[in-house]
Amino acid sequence: EVQLVESGGGLVQPGGSLRLSCAASGFTFSSYWMSWVRQAPGKGLEWVANIKQDGSEKYYVDSVKGRFTISRDNAKNSLYLQMNSLRAEDTAVYYCARIRARYCSGGSCYSGPLDYWGQGTLVTVSS
Amino acid sequence: QPVLTQPPSASASLGASVTLTCTLSSGYSNYKVDWYQQRPGKGPRFVMRVGTGGIVGSKGDGIPDRFSVLGSGLNRYLTIKNIQEEDESDYHCGADHGSGSNFVVVFGGGTKLTVL
Repeated sequence: EVQLVESGGGLVQPGGSLRLSCAASGFTFSSYWMSWVRQAPGKGLEWVANIKQDGSEKYYVDSVKGRFTISRDNAKNSLYLQMNSLRAEDTAVYYCARIRARYCSGGSCYSGPLDYWGQGTLVTVSS
Repeated sequence: QPVLTQPPSASASLGASVTLTCTLSSGYSNYKVDWYQQRPGKGPRFVMRVGTGGIVGSKGDGIPDRFSVLGSGLNRYLTIKNIQEEDESDYHCGADHGSGSNFVVVFGGGTKLTVL
């Protein structure tokens, strides 16, 4: 059974830092792209970042570029999100998700859906 | 990148059917869209992917046959037949965009489905 379990959320002051973790089990973690997606209170989903299987490619939504860093440790089956210079608008539940597949050929790429999600961890940025 | 638009709310009576709509912005009629179900207080759950030819690939784990999809032009539809109480959820659509040097995911605003 595929399981994704986030942790590390909490209350942090504006300008502070937090590191989220996502523990993966039930599948070969090193074979999949992974994502972070967030959801502000009462709002829709917002994609945050993607990372390739070996960590060699990382992509971010513009609003977090330069502040957030996605990383992974395949030996520990874990995904991370380092969040610095946090702002009130970063307040949200953060979910990790597995991307079913992604492969590229001749300049075009196919990506599968986010087929498994965790239960989320709440980050609150407030003074 | 595409913009996905969803009506904020929908409702249907127990046992009835409902169709939810996700509309792609102009110029993205060839894009596939993923539907996600999010029950109150839970993480999202993948339902299925839809293109203009209908379902793409397989449904998510445990998604009943009551759920089906269609695609036409810029619209991607999720139909739920014989609605049950447990179908009351937020439904989000999403799509990936980019190739080579870019890879982003965009979501619609979500539709809250109320079962009457």
